[in-house]
Amino acid sequence: EAGVTQFPSHSVIEKGQTVTLRCDPISGHDNLYWYRRVMGKEIKFLLHFVKESKQDESGMPNNRFLAERTGGTYSTLKVQPAELEDSGVYFCASSQLDRVSYEQYFGPGTRLTVT
Amino acid sequence: AQSVTQLGSHVSVSEGALVLLRCNYSSSVPPYLFWYVQYPNQGLQLLLKYTTGATLVKGINGFEAEFKKSETSFHLTKPSAHMSDAAEYFCAVSDRRTGNQFYFGTGTSLTVIP
Repeated sequence: EAGVTQFPSHSVIEKGQTVTLRCDPISGHDNLYWYRRVMGKEIKFLLHFVKESKQDESGMPNNRFLAERTGGTYSTLKVQPAELEDSGVYFCASSQLDRVSYEQYFGPGTRLTVT
Repeated sequence: AQSVTQLGSHVSVSEGALVLLRCNYSSSVPPYLFWYVQYPNQGLQLLLKYTTGATLVKGINGFEAEFKKSETSFHLTKPSAHMSDAAEYFCAVSDRRTGNQFYFGTGTSLTVIP
């Protein structure tokens, strides 16, 4: 069984540009989560999808971030326009629908560098 | 909101020595508790979890952790460190009542000295 995959693995962009990160969850996992780790800090929750619906987006830092999950499969996280403080590692995780409090399966992350 | 404290952002141990990575949480209701490990250039991998039942939990690669409600702790241990244990370790919790998001500690980078 394939794990959670994320693309790209690394992205370097200039301030003001747009970047789109993609996450493919484990097949059959209806829960999908986005997290971010800024250098030296803890991994922080951004948002949670149940299928195609946003269940909780309380962690989204501002309206420059837009997450979508069309069709309840893969998800994208767009940052537009990017700022220096957006640099960090963005993790995606997924889990089965009836196990929200059990383990989440994480992808390898996308390292975003904004210069 | 929950918070998780991992004491020591960097821990070094000699090969064969005891590994002890500390994790404390703040919550009036005991949460679900997890330890994840991240090897270089890889994603987060679940080491072990505590949800209910026996408070001493065994995980992969010889690691174990004990949930101590009175101390609000979930420290990770391994009796004998191996070179392959060098990685970053994250303690995480989720709220039993609401589930969903995980709250992570800042991580502990483990170095194993030959």
